[in-house]
Amino acid sequence: NAGVTQTPKFQVLKTGQSMTLQCAQDMNHEYMSWYRQDPGMGLRLIHYSVGAGITDQGEVPNGYNVSRSTTEDFPLRLLSAAPSQTSVYFCASSYSIDSYEQYFGPGTRLTVT
Amino acid sequence: GQQVMQIPQYQHVQEGEDFTTYCNSSTTLSNIQWYKQRPGGHPVFLIQLVKSGEVKKQKRLTFQFGEAKKNSSLHITATQTTDVGTYFCAGAPSNQFYFGTGTSLTVIP
Repeated sequence: NAGVTQTPKFQVLKTGQSMTLQCAQDMNHEYMSWYRQDPGMGLRLIHYSVGAGITDQGEVPNGYNVSRSTTEDFPLRLLSAAPSQTSVYFCASSYSIDSYEQYFGPGTRLTVT
Repeated sequence: GQQVMQIPQYQHVQEGEDFTTYCNSSTTLSNIQWYKQRPGGHPVFLIQLVKSGEVKKQKRLTFQFGEAKKNSSLHITATQTTDVGTYFCAGAPSNQFYFGTGTSLTVIP
């Protein structure tokens, strides 16, 4: 199993550009989520999904969109990049929200200039 | 806002000294998880605590869940250089995981 994969590993965007961060898992997990990690802020939940076709907002959803058309994939879209979105983005998955460990992808380091 | 607070933010210890990080939630948690993130890496699951007052051990690591299920601690006995990294707690009072701000541990050989 590849586990949780994320692409790209690094990305530089100009303000106003849009892009999609890809996330895929091959463990048949129902629960998937996106976090951003900033120094001193820990991991903050952006959006999450409890299954295909179901998504919901986390703690910091503004400026991001998600969709979940399949169990395996959970892409994160930045609509119009801003310097405040410079961060490291982690995708994670687990069997469910209820008492199961989360498996994290390797992360995407995004810089917005 | 942040519902799970963690202290201290940074800790430097000499190799062989003990280390403790504390996690406090503003709400009662159904369970709490602990993760470790090595520098440049991604968070990796360590353990989950579910019961009030629960204590679990993994070799030199001891994890506790408070009686009120609002706080937790991770204690490392006799730190080693391999313990370097950031330790996060995470709780799920509802359908979302809330991560603590993390404690960054530096071990001086």
